[in-house]
Amino acid sequence: NAGVTQTPKFRILKIGQSMTLQCAQDMNHNYMYWYRQDPGMGLKLIYYSVGAGITDKGEVPNGYNVSRSTTEDFPLRLELAAPSQTSVYFCASSYGSSGGAYSSYNEQFFGPGTRLTVL
Amino acid sequence: QKEVEQNSGPLSVPEGAIASLNCTYSDRGSQSFFWYRQYSGKSPELIMFIYSNGDKEDGRFTAQLNKASQYVSLLIRDSQPSDSATYLCAVRDSGGSNYKLTFGKGTLLTVNP
Repeated sequence: NAGVTQTPKFRILKIGQSMTLQCAQDMNHNYMYWYRQDPGMGLKLIYYSVGAGITDKGEVPNGYNVSRSTTEDFPLRLELAAPSQTSVYFCASSYGSSGGAYSSYNEQFFGPGTRLTVL
Repeated sequence: QKEVEQNSGPLSVPEGAIASLNCTYSDRGSQSFFWYRQYSGKSPELIMFIYSNGDKEDGRFTAQLNKASQYVSLLIRDSQPSDSATYLCAVRDSGGSNYKLTFGKGTLLTVNP
């Protein structure tokens, strides 16, 4: 299994450009997540999905959009890129919440990340 | 707003010493707690998971949980230079969104040879 894959690894955008960060997983996980990580700031949840066709906002959704047409793929769209979106973006997936509070099924597996710079 | 607090460090220990990393959380209903390790330029990887009060040991790693004090810690015994990384504490949300994790900012650990 490849696990969680992300493309591209690096990208430089100009202010106002748009792009899509790709994320795919082959573990048949229902739950997928997008985080951004700024230096010294931990991981902030942007959007998440509990299954194909179902998405919801996380803590910092402004300036982003997502779709989930298949179980495997969860792309993140940046519209009108701004310098504040310079960050490292991680996609993650998990089996879900089944198994109860005492299960590690909620372990999130992370992709390798995309380092985005907006100039 | 759920919060997870960690000392940002850096925490510096000599090789062979015990490194102690601490985390407090605000969601009193949280039941599950995770420690992720993140090497510089890499993605987080899970190293420990704990849900019961007390200690959980896995090799050189021991996670400690005290739900009454809303406190979770990670001890690394016989620290090695390869343990140098940022350690992220994550807390599983309580209630209906219990598939989501709230992460702390991480503690940077440096193990000196």
